[in-house]
Amino acid sequence: KAGVTQTPRYLIKTRGQQVTLSCSPISGHRSVSWYQQTPGQGLQFLFEYFSETQRNKGNFPGRFSGRQFSNSRSEMNVSTLELGDSALYLCASSYAGTVNTEAFFGQGTRLTVV
Amino acid sequence: DAKTTQPPSMDCAEGRAANLPCNHSTISGNEYVYWYRQIHSQGPQYIIHGLKNNETNEMASLIITEDRKSSTLILPHATLRDTAVYYCIVRTTSGTYKYIFGTGTRLKVLA
Repeated sequence: KAGVTQTPRYLIKTRGQQVTLSCSPISGHRSVSWYQQTPGQGLQFLFEYFSETQRNKGNFPGRFSGRQFSNSRSEMNVSTLELGDSALYLCASSYAGTVNTEAFFGQGTRLTVV
Repeated sequence: DAKTTQPPSMDCAEGRAANLPCNHSTISGNEYVYWYRQIHSQGPQYIIHGLKNNETNEMASLIITEDRKSSTLILPHATLRDTAVYYCIVRTTSGTYKYIFGTGTRLKVLA
């Protein structure tokens, strides 16, 4: 069974640009969550989607957005990139996203903003 | 904020059991304890989770105290490949569907 796939693995962007990251969950999983990991702040929750609906959002500015498609694949978008957006962006999928169902993480997309 | 407290680092000899403690004194009755590990800049890897009973799988054992205020993750025979940051997480039932990661324990397995 294939795991969570994130593309691209590495990305370099310039300040002010926008970026779109993609996540393909494990087959059959309907919940997709996104996390940002930086050395200073650690792993922080961005948002979670279930059946194409955003169920929860973390404390990030509106420049961070996401969506989920009918096949459960998800994308996140960051507009007007800032240097501080440089981070490892992780996607996690789970069957239902409930308290008793574990999530599986992808390998992440490392974004560098210059 | 994370509801767990873990030691920042631990060492363990290869082949010995690694016992990683976690404090979660404010855990509620229907909140689960999850353990993940992250090996240098890879995505976190799920290890195990439990509610109140001890759990075991092919990777590890999870021992939760009777009052549920603390737990221990046991890697029975640590190898060099178990060197990683281990996160203990209390999964909330508040409907937020998210993990709140703390700073974890950096486990170093020594040859």
